Amino acid sequence: DAGVIQSPRHEVTEMGQEVTLRCKPISGHNSLFWYRQTMMRGLELLIYFNNNVPIDDSGMPEDRFSAKMPNASFSTLKIQPSEPRDSAVYFCASSLTSGSSDTQYFGPGTRLTVL
Amino acid sequence: AQKITQTQPGMFVQEKEAVTLDCTYDTSDQSYGLFWYKQPSSGEMIFLIYQGSYDEQNATEGRYSLNFQKARKSANLVISASQLGDSAMYFCAMSGDNQGGKLIFGQGTELSVKP
Repeated sequence: DAGVIQSPRHEVTEMGQEVTLRCKPISGHNSLFWYRQTMMRGLELLIYFNNNVPIDDSGMPEDRFSAKMPNASFSTLKIQPSEPRDSAVYFCASSLTSGSSDTQYFGPGTRLTVL
Repeated sequence: AQKITQTQPGMFVQEKEAVTLDCTYDTSDQSYGLFWYKQPSSGEMIFLIYQGSYDEQNATEGRYSLNFQKARKSANLVISASQLGDSAMYFCAMSGDNQGGKLIFGQGTELSVKP
């Protein structure tokens, strides 16, 4: 079975540009999570969805970040306008449900560099 | 609030020997899950092993075992018969029934296996 799919794998953009990261969760999984990994802050949850509905977006840094999940097989994370401090690896993960015993499976990540 | 602490930033182990990576946690949730992930230099996050807070036996998955000591709030990962391919960052993470599926990660331990 295919795992979590993310695109692009690498993105280099200039400050002020719009960036869109994409994720396809594992088929049948009802929960989807977006994480960001930086050297300074480690891995932190940005937002997660349950049955396509955003449940907790308290980790989204500011209004420049937005996420959508229009259907069960696709989600986007958008940054507009991007800033150099947004440079990080962005992971998408999915799990069957959002229970404490459900394993989250991660995609390969998108390495974002904002110049 | 939940917290995960990994006190070993880096560790070395000789090939074929066993190694223990430490993880302590703090939570007010009665029901929670503990996870270990491996992140090789290629960057992906690979799920290794899970332990539920009500599980009486320590979890095992092949060469990985989780030494769960609930009273001490520790969830150490034991890797037996280390291999060169085990060289990677290892992250301890936890979720809780009152956390809505959110994973809290430790800062990670970088393991280097020497031939």
